[in-house]
Amino acid sequence: ELKVEQNPLFLSMQEGKNYTIYCNYSTTSDRLYWYRQDPGKSLESLFVLLSNGAVKQEGRLMASLDTKARLSTLHITAAVHDLSATYFCAVDFGNEKLTFGTGTRLTIIP
Amino acid sequence: KAGVTQTPRYLIKTRGQQVTLSCSPISGHRSVSWYQQTPGQGLQFLFEYFSETQRNKGNFPGRFSGRQFSNSRSEMNVSTLELGDSALYLCASSTGTGTHEQYFGPGTRLTVT
Repeated sequence: ELKVEQNPLFLSMQEGKNYTIYCNYSTTSDRLYWYRQDPGKSLESLFVLLSNGAVKQEGRLMASLDTKARLSTLHITAAVHDLSATYFCAVDFGNEKLTFGTGTRLTIIP
Repeated sequence: KAGVTQTPRYLIKTRGQQVTLSCSPISGHRSVSWYQQTPGQGLQFLFEYFSETQRNKGNFPGRFSGRQFSNSRSEMNVSTLELGDSALYLCASSTGTGTHEQYFGPGTRLTVT
Protein backbone atom coordinates (compact mmCIF):
# COMPACT_ATOMS: atom_id res chain seq x y z
CA GLU A 1 0.00 0.00 0.00
CA LEU A 2 1.22 3.46 -0.85
CA LYS A 3 1.37 5.49 2.33
CA VAL A 4 2.79 8.83 3.37
CA GLU A 5 3.12 9.63 7.05
CA GLN A 6 3.84 13.02 8.50
CA ASN A 7 4.70 13.98 12.04
CA PRO A 8 3.91 15.77 14.12
CA LEU A 9 0.28 16.47 13.25
CA PHE A 10 0.25 19.61 15.32
CA LEU A 11 3.16 21.84 16.20
CA SER A 12 3.06 24.90 18.35
CA MET A 13 6.30 26.77 18.61
CA GLN A 14 7.62 30.08 19.76
CA GLU A 15 8.95 32.69 17.43
CA GLY A 16 12.67 32.42 16.94
CA LYS A 17 12.86 28.67 17.57
CA ASN A 18 13.87 25.92 15.15
CA TYR A 19 11.92 22.79 14.39
CA THR A 20 11.62 19.95 11.89
CA ILE A 21 8.65 18.25 10.26
CA TYR A 22 9.16 14.66 9.11
CA CYS A 23 7.66 12.87 6.13
CA ASN A 24 8.06 9.10 5.71
CA TYR A 25 6.75 7.15 2.76
CA SER A 26 6.18 3.47 2.17
CA THR A 27 7.88 2.60 -1.10
CA THR A 28 10.39 3.82 -3.62
CA SER A 29 9.92 7.26 -5.11
CA ASP A 30 12.19 10.05 -6.23
CA ARG A 31 9.55 12.74 -6.51
CA LEU A 32 8.49 14.48 -3.34
CA TYR A 33 6.77 17.82 -2.94
CA TRP A 34 6.07 20.16 -0.07
CA TYR A 35 3.01 22.39 -0.02
CA ARG A 36 1.66 25.06 2.28
CA GLN A 37 -2.02 25.65 2.93
CA ASP A 38 -3.46 28.65 4.77
CA PRO A 39 -6.94 28.32 6.33
CA GLY A 40 -9.65 28.29 3.69
CA LYS A 41 -7.11 28.55 0.90
CA SER A 42 -5.60 26.27 -1.72
CA LEU A 43 -2.19 24.63 -1.79
CA GLU A 44 0.93 26.65 -2.50
CA SER A 45 3.94 24.80 -3.85
CA LEU A 46 7.04 25.21 -1.68
CA PHE A 47 9.63 22.67 -2.79
CA VAL A 48 10.19 20.02 -5.43
CA LEU A 49 12.68 17.30 -4.47
CA LEU A 50 13.65 14.93 -7.25
CA SER A 51 16.74 13.01 -6.22
CA ASN A 52 18.46 11.45 -3.26
CA GLY A 53 20.27 14.06 -1.22
CA ALA A 54 18.32 16.95 -2.75
CA VAL A 55 18.21 20.02 -0.53
CA LYS A 56 16.20 23.15 -1.28
CA GLN A 57 16.01 26.34 0.76
CA GLU A 58 13.72 29.32 0.63
CA GLY A 59 13.92 31.90 3.37
CA ARG A 60 13.50 30.23 6.75
CA LEU A 61 12.43 26.90 5.25
CA MET A 62 14.73 24.12 4.10
CA ALA A 63 13.64 20.76 2.69
CA SER A 64 15.70 17.64 2.11
CA LEU A 65 15.16 14.18 0.67
CA ASP A 66 16.74 10.84 1.56
CA THR A 67 15.31 8.29 -0.88
CA LYS A 68 17.15 5.38 0.73
CA ALA A 69 15.53 6.07 4.09
CA ARG A 70 12.27 7.12 2.36
CA LEU A 71 12.35 10.26 4.43
CA SER A 72 11.99 13.96 3.77
CA THR A 73 12.34 16.75 6.29
CA LEU A 74 11.13 20.33 6.33
CA HIS A 75 13.24 22.40 8.67
CA ILE A 76 12.08 25.74 10.01
CA THR A 77 14.71 28.16 11.21
CA ALA A 78 13.98 31.05 13.58
CA ALA A 79 10.24 30.79 13.10
CA VAL A 80 8.14 33.89 12.51
CA HIS A 81 4.37 34.29 12.79
CA ASP A 82 3.92 34.41 8.99
CA LEU A 83 4.93 30.76 8.80
CA SER A 84 1.79 29.65 10.65
CA ALA A 85 -0.04 27.32 8.22
CA THR A 86 -0.61 23.65 7.48
CA TYR A 87 2.27 21.95 5.65
CA PHE A 88 1.80 18.87 3.50
CA CYS A 89 4.29 16.56 1.92
CA ALA A 90 3.15 14.64 -1.14
CA VAL A 91 4.78 11.76 -2.98
CA ASP A 92 4.41 10.81 -6.62
CA PHE A 93 4.87 7.05 -6.76
CA GLY A 94 5.37 7.19 -10.49
CA ASN A 95 2.06 7.98 -12.11
CA GLU A 96 1.25 11.70 -11.65
CA LYS A 97 -0.93 10.70 -8.72
CA LEU A 98 0.08 12.53 -5.56
CA THR A 99 -0.35 10.72 -2.26
CA PHE A 100 -0.48 13.29 0.52
CA GLY A 101 0.57 13.11 4.12
CA THR A 102 -1.88 14.05 6.84
CA GLY A 103 -0.46 17.53 7.13
CA THR A 104 1.24 19.35 9.99
CA ARG A 105 -0.62 22.28 11.46
CA LEU A 106 2.03 24.75 12.53
CA THR A 107 1.23 27.58 14.92
CA ILE A 108 3.88 30.15 15.73
CA ILE A 109 3.37 31.86 19.06
CA PRO A 110 4.77 35.38 19.53
CA LYS B 1 1.13 33.70 -16.62
CA ALA B 2 -2.36 33.12 -15.27
CA GLY B 3 -2.75 30.40 -12.67
CA VAL B 4 -5.20 27.55 -12.44
CA THR B 5 -8.80 28.73 -12.26
CA GLN B 6 -11.79 26.85 -10.94
CA THR B 7 -15.48 27.63 -11.16
CA PRO B 8 -17.66 27.95 -9.29
CA ARG B 9 -15.85 28.75 -6.06
CA TYR B 10 -18.77 27.83 -3.82
CA LEU B 11 -21.72 25.56 -4.40
CA ILE B 12 -24.63 24.36 -2.29
CA LYS B 13 -26.56 21.33 -3.52
CA THR B 14 -29.17 18.97 -2.18
CA ARG B 15 -28.75 15.23 -1.74
CA GLY B 16 -29.54 13.34 -4.92
CA GLN B 17 -28.66 16.21 -7.23
CA GLN B 18 -25.69 16.25 -9.54
CA VAL B 19 -22.97 18.85 -9.93
CA THR B 20 -20.34 19.81 -12.50
CA LEU B 21 -17.13 21.59 -11.55
CA SER B 22 -14.79 23.24 -14.03
CA CYS B 23 -11.04 23.73 -14.12
CA SER B 24 -8.87 25.74 -16.50
CA PRO B 25 -5.19 24.80 -16.28
CA ILE B 26 -2.17 27.01 -16.70
CA SER B 27 -1.56 27.75 -20.37
CA GLY B 28 0.56 25.02 -21.93
CA HIS B 29 -0.19 22.45 -19.23
CA ARG B 30 -1.65 19.23 -20.56
CA SER B 31 -2.17 17.32 -17.33
CA VAL B 32 -5.07 18.06 -15.00
CA SER B 33 -5.63 16.25 -11.71
CA TRP B 34 -8.51 16.43 -9.27
CA TYR B 35 -8.36 16.00 -5.50
CA GLN B 36 -10.93 15.94 -2.74
CA GLN B 37 -10.09 17.47 0.63
CA THR B 38 -12.14 16.73 3.74
CA PRO B 39 -11.30 17.10 7.44
CA GLY B 40 -11.72 13.36 8.00
CA GLN B 41 -9.98 11.85 4.98
CA GLY B 42 -7.51 14.59 4.12
CA LEU B 43 -6.42 15.08 0.51
CA GLN B 44 -7.38 12.24 -1.79
CA PHE B 45 -6.68 11.78 -5.48
CA LEU B 46 -9.72 11.48 -7.74
CA PHE B 47 -8.37 11.25 -11.30
CA GLU B 48 -5.86 12.65 -13.75
CA TYR B 49 -6.26 13.54 -17.40
CA PHE B 50 -3.56 14.09 -19.99
CA SER B 51 -4.36 15.14 -23.53
CA GLU B 52 -8.05 14.25 -23.12
CA THR B 53 -7.30 10.74 -21.78
CA GLN B 54 -7.84 9.59 -18.23
CA ARG B 55 -4.52 8.14 -17.15
CA ASN B 56 -5.14 7.51 -13.47
CA LYS B 57 -8.10 7.05 -11.22
CA GLY B 58 -8.37 7.01 -7.44
CA ASN B 59 -10.59 4.89 -5.24
CA PHE B 60 -13.85 6.74 -5.62
CA PRO B 61 -17.24 5.37 -6.69
CA GLY B 62 -18.44 5.66 -10.26
CA ARG B 63 -20.60 8.64 -9.29
CA PHE B 64 -17.44 10.66 -9.69
CA SER B 65 -16.43 11.20 -13.29
CA GLY B 66 -14.49 13.65 -15.34
CA ARG B 67 -13.37 14.64 -18.75
CA GLN B 68 -10.84 16.85 -20.46
CA PHE B 69 -11.33 18.92 -23.57
CA SER B 70 -8.94 19.59 -26.42
CA ASN B 71 -7.94 22.93 -24.87
CA SER B 72 -6.95 21.03 -21.68
CA ARG B 73 -9.83 22.45 -19.66
CA SER B 74 -11.36 19.79 -17.44
CA GLU B 75 -14.70 19.15 -15.83
CA MET B 76 -15.59 16.91 -12.94
CA ASN B 77 -19.08 15.58 -12.40
CA VAL B 78 -20.61 14.07 -9.29
CA SER B 79 -24.01 12.44 -9.65
CA THR B 80 -26.51 11.48 -6.95
CA LEU B 81 -24.85 13.66 -4.35
CA GLU B 82 -24.46 12.36 -0.79
CA LEU B 83 -23.83 14.34 2.37
CA GLY B 84 -20.32 12.87 2.50
CA ASP B 85 -19.46 14.52 -0.80
CA SER B 86 -19.25 17.87 0.96
CA ALA B 87 -15.63 18.87 0.52
CA LEU B 88 -13.14 21.21 -1.06
CA TYR B 89 -12.43 20.00 -4.59
CA LEU B 90 -9.04 21.01 -5.86
CA CYS B 91 -7.81 20.93 -9.40
CA ALA B 92 -4.11 20.91 -10.23
CA SER B 93 -2.30 21.26 -13.51
CA SER B 94 1.17 20.30 -14.65
CA THR B 95 3.08 19.96 -17.89
CA GLY B 96 3.03 16.20 -17.43
CA THR B 97 6.78 16.06 -17.94
CA GLY B 98 9.99 17.20 -16.25
CA THR B 99 9.49 17.88 -12.55
CA HIS B 100 5.78 16.97 -12.80
CA GLU B 101 5.15 19.76 -10.33
CA GLN B 102 1.46 20.29 -9.81
CA TYR B 103 0.01 23.78 -9.40
CA PHE B 104 -3.26 23.99 -7.57
CA GLY B 105 -6.29 26.13 -8.24
CA PRO B 106 -8.29 27.94 -5.52
CA GLY B 107 -10.75 25.07 -5.20
CA THR B 108 -14.52 24.67 -5.25
CA ARG B 109 -16.17 24.28 -1.89
CA LEU B 110 -19.17 22.00 -2.28
CA THR B 111 -21.77 21.72 0.46
CA VAL B 112 -24.41 19.02 0.19
CA THR B 113 -27.51 19.46 2.37
